[in-house]
Amino acid sequence: DQQVKQNSPSLSVQEGRISILNCDYTNSMFDYFLWYKKYPAEGPTFLISISSIKDKNEDGRFTVFLNKSAKHLSLHIVPSQPGDSAVYFCAASARFGNEKLTFGTGTRLTIIP
Amino acid sequence: EAGVVQSPRYKIIEKKQPVAFWCNPISGHNTLYWYLQNLGQGPELLIRYENEEAVDDSQLPKDRFSAERLKGVDSTLKIQPAELGDSAVYLCASSLDPAVQFFGPGTRLTVL
Repeated sequence: DQQVKQNSPSLSVQEGRISILNCDYTNSMFDYFLWYKKYPAEGPTFLISISSIKDKNEDGRFTVFLNKSAKHLSLHIVPSQPGDSAVYFCAASARFGNEKLTFGTGTRLTIIP
Repeated sequence: EAGVVQSPRYKIIEKKQPVAFWCNPISGHNTLYWYLQNLGQGPELLIRYENEEAVDDSQLPKDRFSAERLKGVDSTLKIQPAELGDSAVYLCASSLDPAVQFFGPGTRLTVL
């Protein structure tokens, strides 16, 4: 049972445009959500997070939106840059991050110059 | 600051052979995790340590997998005997804040 779903395995976006990566979850106990970015032959690196008490968190070019009623979150990258090409994993946790992380299957983002 | 160090980076073994992976976490990080990542999937937790205590090993297949973190710093993950289905990337991570984990580069295991 996949509790965190990333339904788009891949996404291509023109450089300078907005990239939107989506993530859905089924477990209503999840209250903390994170995005990790992974380059080939490297481990995932933390990008941005959001707690269920907020619906938006912004960090530079990266913004995460949370829609609790829809059990949906999205990561917006604007403007997209070639260095953003990577696999992006959505992850979720309960007890505001104190429970184990459950990861989605990832979305491969390709930024086209 | 050095990140999480893992070795070896790659390992190829024949089935039924033993294999061990080593992890050195970020200095000062009390919590250490081992994850399994299959191709096209996200990381899945195998075991979590708080200092030298395994606080969550519910997903560790204990018939063939074992792990230790004797002095609360470095950790080893062992598989004995390895099976074909164990081919995957084994990731180690560490954290101060459990919500934000820092991952090592992983060990890619191929079982022939």
